[in-house]
Amino acid sequence: EAGVAQSPRYKIIEKRQSVAFWCNPISGHATLYWYQQILGQGPKLLIQFQNNGVVDDSQLPKDRFSAERLKGVDSTLKIQPAKLEDSAVYLCASSAGGHSYEQYFGPGTRLTVT
Amino acid sequence: AQSVTQLGSHVSVSEGALVLLRCNYSSSVPPYLFWYVQYPNQGLQLLLKYTTGATLVKGINGFEAEFKKSETSFHLTKPSAHMSDAAEYFCAVSEREYGNKLVFGAGTILRVKS
Repeated sequence: EAGVAQSPRYKIIEKRQSVAFWCNPISGHATLYWYQQILGQGPKLLIQFQNNGVVDDSQLPKDRFSAERLKGVDSTLKIQPAKLEDSAVYLCASSAGGHSYEQYFGPGTRLTVT
Repeated sequence: AQSVTQLGSHVSVSEGALVLLRCNYSSSVPPYLFWYVQYPNQGLQLLLKYTTGATLVKGINGFEAEFKKSETSFHLTKPSAHMSDAAEYFCAVSEREYGNKLVFGAGTILRVKS
């Protein structure tokens, strides 16, 4: 079974530029999560999708971050414009949903904003 | 609101010694508890989880954890450390009422000395 795929693995941009990350969850997983992991901290949930609907985006900075999950499969997370404090690893995870609590994580995208 | 506290951002043990990583949680309802491991430049991998039933949970790579409701703790242990255990470990809590959203602790970096 293929795991959660993310690209790119690394990205360096200047502040005020825009950037997009892509995630392909495990086949058949209805629930998809985006986490932000700042150096020295645990991951923090940004947004959760159930199929193509948003379940929780309470911690997503909506003035600059956006995310979509078209057709309930792949997802993209965009930052526009980026700030220095957005430097972090962005992790995508998926789960089968329902009573399955296990989340499977991708390798992450390391973003550096200069 | 859920929260997780991991005592000790860094733990150092000798190879063959007992590993003990501490985790305390706060939850308004019976929680689901998880331990994840993260190797450098990789995503998170589930070590073990507690949802219901037996409070002593066994996971991969010889790790186990015990859910103690009275102490609101979920400490991770391994009887004998191996060099390959060196990594960062995250404790997390989730509540079904919040869409199984995971709230992570800040992480503990485990160093294993030869």
